Amino acid sequence: QVQLQESGPGLVKPSETLSLTCSVSIGSISTQYWSWIRQPPGKGLEWIGCIFHTGSVNYNPSLKSRVTISVDTSKDQLSLRLSSVTAADTAVYYCARHAGDGYPYHFDSWGQGTLVTVSS
Amino acid sequence: DIVMTQSPDSLAVSLGERATINCKSSQSVLWNSNNKNFLAWHQQKPGQPPKLLIYWASTRESGVPDRFSGSGSGTDFTLTISSLQAEDVAVYYCQQYYSTPQTFGQGTKVEIK
Repeated sequence: QVQLQESGPGLVKPSETLSLTCSVSIGSISTQYWSWIRQPPGKGLEWIGCIFHTGSVNYNPSLKSRVTISVDTSKDQLSLRLSSVTAADTAVYYCARHAGDGYPYHFDSWGQGTLVTVSS
Repeated sequence: DIVMTQSPDSLAVSLGERATINCKSSQSVLWNSNNKNFLAWHQQKPGQPPKLLIYWASTRESGVPDRFSGSGSGTDFTLTISSLQAEDVAVYYCQQYYSTPQTFGQGTKVEIK
């Protein structure tokens, strides 16, 4: 059973860049798609973007100008960077694995999530 | 973007009774080449991450109790809990993976009456 663990600062100042890492427990990061999803406190889920091990990425147009997702296959990690953050970016950030291979199918594994608060 | 709309926003059901959640997509999520609906259901309990229940609209994830079932095709889908248990109190989300951006319904909160 794959395990995903998000890590990073819990507090980010407005206008700065949010940076998170997701560590994958087993060496399968090179075979599937991986996504970042966020959930503002008390609200629903928003897909941020996904990446394949080749580096091919697909971002939500609503965040595309501020988002960078990358993968380090040697460390079995994926990363999220979100620039110019505001209070509206306060959320629990999840990484998740897509089932199957070659296409971002349904999410079959989720990390526990990490809360990031944007505040001065 | 494909907009996913769930109904109701919340429902209260007695233990042992049936709970039904609907999900409607703004366009079809049926992939004609393989006749599969790119629709999943996730369960989120308080303080926990979402958990996959159903994919391809009706395929139950391994380990998910058989009281959970999914149905529907095209743009209209349903998640049914046949006999509600206390541990089913959660928010349920439908999600389409037919196209990017992948999108979720707003969630349906299920409580015990």
